[in-house]
Amino acid sequence: SYVLTQPPSVSVAPGQTARITCGGNNIGSKSVHWYQQKPGQAPVLVVYDDSDRPSGIPERFSGSNSGNTATLTISRVEAGDEADYYCQVWDSSSDYVFGTGTKVTVL
Amino acid sequence: QVQLVESGGGLVKPGGSLRLSCAASGFTFSDYYMSWIRQAPGKGLEWVSYISSSGSTIYYADSVKGRFTISRDNAKNSLYLQMNSLRAEDTAVYYCASEARPYSYFDYWGQGTLVTVSS
Repeated sequence: SYVLTQPPSVSVAPGQTARITCGGNNIGSKSVHWYQQKPGQAPVLVVYDDSDRPSGIPERFSGSNSGNTATLTISRVEAGDEADYYCQVWDSSSDYVFGTGTKVTVL
Repeated sequence: QVQLVESGGGLVKPGGSLRLSCAASGFTFSDYYMSWIRQAPGKGLEWVSYISSSGSTIYYADSVKGRFTISRDNAKNSLYLQMNSLRAEDTAVYYCASEARPYSYFDYWGQGTLVTVSS
């Protein structure tokens, strides 16, 4: 089965840049999507198809994908960005796969 | 605006059954592909089941295959998940989520319904 690995936690100071990685075998050949989930709330799509943003998502959220690693970058981090973040792909053998999740803490 | 509202969760004993529903509004439900996704307490997201827009194509995660059945009624703008032979490890918040494009990303999610399997 296809596995997506994320760091358990990332800490960042307000105004700085947070980078969350998502590792998977040849993930660069797949479309990667990212979700933000705040405590007690449903996930929200923040980046799809590697680097596209849904309407209403700030430009501070961006994504990239190459080789064995996809990355979600949050620029000029704000307190409201504190949340869990999950990457996700579709794999023909494993269907829908979510990453292990990363908790972003704003210091 | 798009709304997905789940219902039907609750406390059930191991081996019991439960039927979840998801009521959709604010979009053309029959054009969308739908999935159920769950999240055990304090854990990550786990995809459970997928149904195509017409209902002709269905997939399940191995963890629920043979026990859960997904279905939809496009006339009622509703998605369902029949859960049988429930186990303690099925305890989770269950979300319904939509896809405009199959085998891609989940653009809208419901607020979730909690299923607790315990004696």
